Amino acid sequence: DAGITQSPRHKVTETGTPVTLRCHQTENHRYMYWYRQDPGHGLRLIHYSYGVKDTDKGEVSDGYSVSRSKTEDFLLTLESATSSQTSVYFCAIRDRDSAYNEQFFGPGTRLTVL
Amino acid sequence: AQSVTQPDIHITVSEGASLELRCNYSYGATPYLFWYVQSPGQGLQLLLKYFSGDTLVQGIKGFEAEFKRSQSSFNLRKPSVHWSDAAEYFCAKNTGGFKTIFGAGTRLFVKA
Repeated sequence: DAGITQSPRHKVTETGTPVTLRCHQTENHRYMYWYRQDPGHGLRLIHYSYGVKDTDKGEVSDGYSVSRSKTEDFLLTLESATSSQTSVYFCAIRDRDSAYNEQFFGPGTRLTVL
Repeated sequence: AQSVTQPDIHITVSEGASLELRCNYSYGATPYLFWYVQSPGQGLQLLLKYFSGDTLVQGIKGFEAEFKRSQSSFNLRKPSVHWSDAAEYFCAKNTGGFKTIFGAGTRLFVKA
């Protein structure tokens, strides 16, 4: 258990509204990631962070922004939600003690945009 | 661009039968490779990992995987499948930095 929680676990919102998802970790990992999971696509990286206030884009970053003001929290914001952003969102951390760079995942947030 | 391919979208096996899930990757002589499992409504759990050394790696829940450099493959196997193994399985590869790319997944159905 990598001590990762995500909130909310489920959310339904309307097109055009802003949405913020939170990822919280308790073990002081430096690297944190946001993915979206869609059928037929596996997991695709949205944004990642390599330290407080240090973030970078992944392969599907359009329409998303992130912030990391403290080590334990990594926020994902959909600035103006669209139906194409209906998905399951996973947060992950990279195990700082491993030479393998494996990642460990939170339980996910199911987001529906109507 | 680097990629991970899982050729089978879904596979059905009988309980007690053997299982092999295929994974092919592109680029990288000795990549970091992983298999994850996702039960319905859950996050991904790491089954096993490979970087170097013995090309047959053991993981949790009785799974193993074999790295074959000549075939750019990292197939997941289990000698005898249990009904609780029904899930979606993802092969993944570290891209050389801090990122990991995932295959599209293979959903395993287990029939009694």
